[in-house]
Amino acid sequence: EPEVTQTPSHQVTQMGQEVILRCVPISNHLYFYWYRQILGQKVEFLVSFYNNEISEKSEIFDDQFSVERPDGSNFTLKIRSTKLEDSAMYFCASSVDSLYNEQFFGPGTRLTVL
Amino acid sequence: KNEVEQSPQNLTAQEGEFITINCSYSVGISALHWLQQHPGGGIVSLFMLSSGKKKHGRLIATINIQEKHSSLHITASHPRDSAVYICAAMSMNYGGSQGNLIFGKGTKLSVKP
Repeated sequence: EPEVTQTPSHQVTQMGQEVILRCVPISNHLYFYWYRQILGQKVEFLVSFYNNEISEKSEIFDDQFSVERPDGSNFTLKIRSTKLEDSAMYFCASSVDSLYNEQFFGPGTRLTVL
Repeated sequence: KNEVEQSPQNLTAQEGEFITINCSYSVGISALHWLQQHPGGGIVSLFMLSSGKKKHGRLIATINIQEKHSSLHITASHPRDSAVYICAAMSMNYGGSQGNLIFGKGTKLSVKP
């Protein structure tokens, strides 16, 4: 069964460093999402992406964040200068359509900023 | 302001019990997800529904659009059902077409043998 994959599973970085989190969505899906979950808190929407551009982004998704689909398979989230408060689990998701199709989640990347 | 509220926050049950988790939402939605999150952190989609009822094995999800309420039921619960169950509303408020999810805080279920 097709699934969303994410790498790495765990990333440890120093404050101020750049990190790139990678996702491979399900191949026929057209909509891609990033969510994050700070430890002990609820999952929060970061950004949605369709047709090679951002469809919507939340207040969390400031200038330090960017997303890219560099080729036909990968979907990346870049944090330019990490802060301690960026430590969280980051989930990628994809769906065939936006409103009426199920979103499938990757296993997540745990980001730890020291 | 919590747009998606779940109850209870924590639930302990004995194996075999019938379990109900409730979700209320205040936003306009196109659909609602029920998700399962295991201790390792991974999220699995259980259901997406926009009306009525869906059943998969021992899991049943219902939604009442007029009352803005959904329930997840687990019949004949088992210790392997222990996880966090999350309700997520697919909002129509973000420009109307993006389908972004607004999550509840989750219900932590523990099923004892």
